Amino acid sequence: EVQLVESGGGLVQPGRSLRLSCAVSGFTFDDYAMHWVRQAPGKGLEWVSGINWNSGSIGYADSVKGRFTISRDNAKNSLYLQMNSLRAEDTALYYCAKDQSLRFLEGFGMDVWGQGTTVTVSS
Amino acid sequence: QSALTQPASVSGSPGQSVTISCTGTSSDVGNYDLVSWYQYHPGKAPKLKIYADTKRPSGASNRFSGSKSGNTASLTISGLQAEDEADYYCCSYAGSSTYVFGTGTKVTVL
Repeated sequence: EVQLVESGGGLVQPGRSLRLSCAVSGFTFDDYAMHWVRQAPGKGLEWVSGINWNSGSIGYADSVKGRFTISRDNAKNSLYLQMNSLRAEDTALYYCAKDQSLRFLEGFGMDVWGQGTTVTVSS
Repeated sequence: QSALTQPASVSGSPGQSVTISCTGTSSDVGNYDLVSWYQYHPGKAPKLKIYADTKRPSGASNRFSGSKSGNTASLTISGLQAEDEADYYCCSYAGSSTYVFGTGTKVTVL
């Protein structure tokens, strides 16, 4: 069974850091690009970041560029999101998602999603 | 990176067809054949319905179809069923290694 399981969310103060993880199983991880997508309370989906199968190409939404870093460890079948300088507006449910392609810029869409992990930024 | 514009809600009776629009610009929807559509029940994992404007993922229902004209993409749900009641989001490649989602549309089955 294909599975994505996010972890690492929680309550954090503004300006602090948090690292999200996404453990995958049921498919060959290094055959696919990956994404992070979030949904703030009462808001719509927002694409956060994407990474190619070999980490050779990475992209970020303007809202997180310079503060968030996406990475992957193909040997550990894991995707990560390092979030620094967190702001209240980063409060959201964070999903990791599998792309249908090796390269996230090919527009093949995100066909498998996790259940999400909640990040709350508040003092 | 402004969100793509979708109607807040659409509704239809069982068996009818509904169409959801997704309006962007010549920098995103109109410039790339890379619009995807997702069905979303809040708190659950979104489901991919359409990718690359018109393609259906393997195993996806053929009641869902995608199209595009200029800067506006559309998702049509045919033979509306109670299980189709959900939020729907479009998503487009927006250049510079980024994607942008739409504002979301709530589909109600009357």
